[in-house]
Amino acid sequence: EPEVTQTPSHQVTQMGQEVILRCVPISNHLYFYWYRQILGQKVEFLVSFYNNEISEKSEIFDDQFSVERPDGSNFTLKIRSTKLEDSAMYFCASTGESDYGYTFGSGTRLTVV
Amino acid sequence: AQSVTQLDSHVSVSEGTPVLLRCNYSSSYSPSLFWYVQHPNKGLQLLLKYTSAATLVKGINGFEAEFKKSETSFHLTKPSAHMSDAAEYFCVVSDRFAGYNKLIFGAGTRLAVHP
Repeated sequence: EPEVTQTPSHQVTQMGQEVILRCVPISNHLYFYWYRQILGQKVEFLVSFYNNEISEKSEIFDDQFSVERPDGSNFTLKIRSTKLEDSAMYFCASTGESDYGYTFGSGTRLTVV
Repeated sequence: AQSVTQLDSHVSVSEGTPVLLRCNYSSSYSPSLFWYVQHPNKGLQLLLKYTSAATLVKGINGFEAEFKKSETSFHLTKPSAHMSDAAEYFCVVSDRFAGYNKLIFGAGTRLAVHP
């Protein structure tokens, strides 16, 4: 069964550093997403991406965040200057044209120290 | 605006007994509804989905859910719990709009299964 692959599984970074979280969506999917889950809290929508541009973003997704699909297979989330409160599990997901359910990756646990 | 309320933050059952995880939703449009499961330190796995077809939806691992529009509910059930069912369960709503859908998650219900 096709999978969404996320790397790394764990990332520890110092406050103020830039991080890039990487995702390989399912190959024939068209819509791509990032969600995050702060420990003990709800899973929250960050951003959706379609046709090489952001479709929608939440209020969480401020100027410190950016997404990119650099080569037609990878989908990345960049945090320019990490803050302690960015520590969370970040999930990538993708869906096809007529799908009604996402396929999520297994997540990247980001710890900012 | 869409929202989801999971009525129990924790549910504890004995192995072999029925499971009921309750979910109510609010949506301005015809919703799509999902249940996802998250095992410890794992990703989110789709259990089942409702997309305006049959109101009783069967999913993986013996789970099913019934969409009740009059009650705005989408409760998850399983006739007989297994130890491996212990996990966090999320009820999720989506309004399909502009060709894509943003998922709104409930707060989650942690299911414990005792021998």
